[in-house]
Amino acid sequence: GAVVSQHPSWVICKSGTSVKIECRSLDFQATTMFWYRQFPKQSLMLMATSNEGSKATYEQGVEKDKFLINHASLTLSTLTVTSAHPEDSSFYICSAWDWDGYTFGSGTRLTVV
Amino acid sequence: QKEVEQDPGPLSVPEGAIVSLNCTYSNSAFQYFMWYRQYSRKGPELLMYTYSSGNKEDGRFTAQVDKSSKYISLFIRDSQPSDSATYLCAMSADNTDKLIFGTGTRLQVFP
Repeated sequence: GAVVSQHPSWVICKSGTSVKIECRSLDFQATTMFWYRQFPKQSLMLMATSNEGSKATYEQGVEKDKFLINHASLTLSTLTVTSAHPEDSSFYICSAWDWDGYTFGSGTRLTVV
Repeated sequence: QKEVEQDPGPLSVPEGAIVSLNCTYSNSAFQYFMWYRQYSRKGPELLMYTYSSGNKEDGRFTAQVDKSSKYISLFIRDSQPSDSATYLCAMSADNTDKLIFGTGTRLQVFP
């Protein structure tokens, strides 16, 4: 089946710094990728839809200047959390569609200290 | 009212039991229905994917979609302790549209 690779799997950063998370579709091309955020014991919340070659579409309440999304190729989308603060600590997950359905990456646990 | 409703559980069953997990939804435009399994601190893993109504079986798992009732189910036969996880239903109107998730049901299968 389709594989979506997400890196890093976990990261700790200092408050005020930026962190980049990569999401790659390994064996298929993804014109659209999705970025989610998940708090403990809660479901996934869609943050933004990443479109190859164009601007991302952000969900209501998500700061586009804080969560920068770049989808420069058909196999790579990146999410950069800028000027991270402790409240940004969460589990971030990307996904992409292929003919077997939506495949998710393994997630990135971000801790801001 | 949420677009997708799912009982958060937890649901605790003995090994070998048949497990029934359910979701209801309100948007009649949904056509793509999925069930995901998520272990702690991992990304969701696709278990079943169904388009429109009907049943689909894969090993110990059976997914049912009843669009007339706006109700979907996942059955797990001969449940195992390794099935202990959170099960999320998800659906969309189009295969390039965003997924709408249920809150997830936490399942525990004890030996």
